[in-house]
Amino acid sequence: GAVVSQHPSWVICKSGTSVKIECRSLDFQATTMFWYRQFPKQSLMLMATSNEGSKATYEQGVEKDKFLINHASLTLSTLTVTSAHPEDSSFYICSGEDRGLSFGYTFGSGTRLTVV
Amino acid sequence: QQQVKQSPQSLIVQKGGISIINCAYENTAFDYFPWYQQFPGKGPALLIAIRPDVSEKKEGRFTISFNKSAKQFSLHIMDSQPGDSATYFCAASGSPGGGADGLTFGKGTHLIIQP
Repeated sequence: GAVVSQHPSWVICKSGTSVKIECRSLDFQATTMFWYRQFPKQSLMLMATSNEGSKATYEQGVEKDKFLINHASLTLSTLTVTSAHPEDSSFYICSGEDRGLSFGYTFGSGTRLTVV
Repeated sequence: QQQVKQSPQSLIVQKGGISIINCAYENTAFDYFPWYQQFPGKGPALLIAIRPDVSEKKEGRFTISFNKSAKQFSLHIMDSQPGDSATYFCAASGSPGGGADGLTFGKGTHLIIQP
């Protein structure tokens, strides 16, 4: 089946620094990559949608300048949290979709970001 | 606006019993309804999914029942086991492969199976 590899699995950074999270689709081409954020004991909230080679579409209330998304190839998408603050601490999860197949949405294993 | 309402928020079931989680949606454009299982610190894993052209789908111990007219769908876990203890999310979207809507998730159900 389809696999999305997400790294790092956890990261601790100082307030004001930037953190990059990578998601790679290993055995399929992720035409679209979705990025979600999940706070403890809460549901997943869609942050943004990116299509390969085009600008990401952000959900209402998500700052595009803070959460930079790059989807330069069909197998790699990155999320960079810029000038991170403690309130950005959360679990970030990517999900890839291959429009040519019916695997549904394949999720990465998530990244636990802690900003201190 | 919450487009997918999930209940109950938490559920305790005895080993061997049936776990039932319910979801209701509002957007009639939704036509793909998956259920995900999530363990602490892990990403969600697809359990089973259904499209509105069928009213029921069964895979092993997991069954989705779908009521299009009521805009409701539910997950039944038969012969529940302690290893099933996890958080379960229902979700909905336009069909994968035919659009790029992303998933709208319910708030989740924390399921505990007691030995």
